[in-house]
Amino acid sequence: AQKITQTQPGMFVQEKEAVTLDCTYDTSDPSYGLFWYKQPSSGEMIFLIYQGSYDQQNATEGRYSLNFQKARKSANLVISASQLGDSAMYFCAMREGSGGYQKVTFGTGTKLQVIP
Amino acid sequence: NAGVMQNPRHLVRRRGQEARLRCSPMKGHSHVYWYRQLPEEGLKFMVYLQKENIIDESGMPKERFSAEFPKEGPSILRIQQVVRGDSAAYFCASSSGEGTEAFFGQGTRLTVV
Repeated sequence: AQKITQTQPGMFVQEKEAVTLDCTYDTSDPSYGLFWYKQPSSGEMIFLIYQGSYDQQNATEGRYSLNFQKARKSANLVISASQLGDSAMYFCAMREGSGGYQKVTFGTGTKLQVIP
Repeated sequence: NAGVMQNPRHLVRRRGQEARLRCSPMKGHSHVYWYRQLPEEGLKFMVYLQKENIIDESGMPKERFSAEFPKEGPSILRIQQVVRGDSAAYFCASSSGEGTEAFFGQGTRLTVV
């Protein structure tokens, strides 16, 4: 079974609108962390947001928020007020276990294109 | 405070040559991870190292690939006798090992011609 599933290979959004990028995960470990990364066309991986499995509140970072639904095992990324610079690949990722080991499993990504 | 530094950013090798990719972790980080990203795909875990130790190499191909993280100096991912299928972006990440997120370098894009 896939550990991280991103079902949207590509998405379009109008500038200034909000967009939700889907991510579901599969783990039996009670302790895990969920990440979203942005990869623009230049290729670097940019960390956006993190949600721990025990965090009570949904994570937010500026225009990014993570809609964490633990029972449904989903961790969707919401980008509010989209900007042209948001056009990029977005990867959802999961770290299982606690402590120092940081093996992270990535999804296949969603390509977001913001339309002017 | 410099981030994770990878060099070179771009590397071109002919089939059969060796490729050496370097990764200097963030200051104070002793945990290094290598990932490979094939074109149009997500990142796939290759190997996890701490200083002088390989902790998990379950994602490394059995042949031609090796990694090290010596006591002094950067971590090295070494690919011997490269083939066209090795063409990919190779990312290194580092962490302090305290349960925080890993920070990624900018990647090395290997092209085998």
